Amino acid sequence: EIVMTQSPATLSVSPGERAILSCWASQSVSSNLAWYQQKPGQAPRLLIYGASTRATGIPARFSGSGSGTEFTLTISSLQSEDFAVYYCQQYNNWPRTFGQGTKVEIK
Amino acid sequence: EVQLLESGGGLVQPGGSLRLSCAASRFTFSNYAMNWVRQAPGKGLEWVSTISGSGGSTYYTDSVKGRFTISRDNSKNTLYLQMNSLRAEDTAVYYCAKGGIVVVAATFYWGQGTLVTVSS
Repeated sequence: EIVMTQSPATLSVSPGERAILSCWASQSVSSNLAWYQQKPGQAPRLLIYGASTRATGIPARFSGSGSGTEFTLTISSLQSEDFAVYYCQQYNNWPRTFGQGTKVEIK
Repeated sequence: EVQLLESGGGLVQPGGSLRLSCAASRFTFSNYAMNWVRQAPGKGLEWVSTISGSGGSTYYTDSVKGRFTISRDNSKNTLYLQMNSLRAEDTAVYYCAKGGIVVVAATFYWGQGTLVTVSS
């Protein structure tokens, strides 16, 4: 099983600042990596797939990069609606696995 | 916009069974892989199972193999998860999620989830 590790567990950021979230895979997942956003009481929402492709309707302030085992989600200028938990997921191997999540909170 | 509506959750005793359903609309259901993903209270996301568009290929996480069965009825645009021999650790919100045309794809859209509670 591929283990996905996210860092940091919690990120405190002021509105308008940039946030950088990291995700590592225990072995290569090529570019088969997705990022999801989840707000309290809501279902997850796909942000990024293929490591760097924004999903439909996702603002340009969200960007993804990386391949192989190291990935990054960058939120260029945090808006109030961006404070949430973010998960990475690999879909290269079975079982599909998620990281434990990074909570982005207001500083 | 894609719509996914789960149903069938509830309270069940350990060792019991439950069948979840997910009614899909506003896309060509038979063309897409479908997934079940769960989230235990206060915890992260856990992939449970995937089924190909035709239903010919299925995949499971180890902890549910032999207990859960994923299936689909493309004539009814409905996804199912039959859950048998339920355990306390299966307690979670279960999300139905639309995948891609191929199984090697992210989960593009998610339903709102249905809560399964396994307790005596």
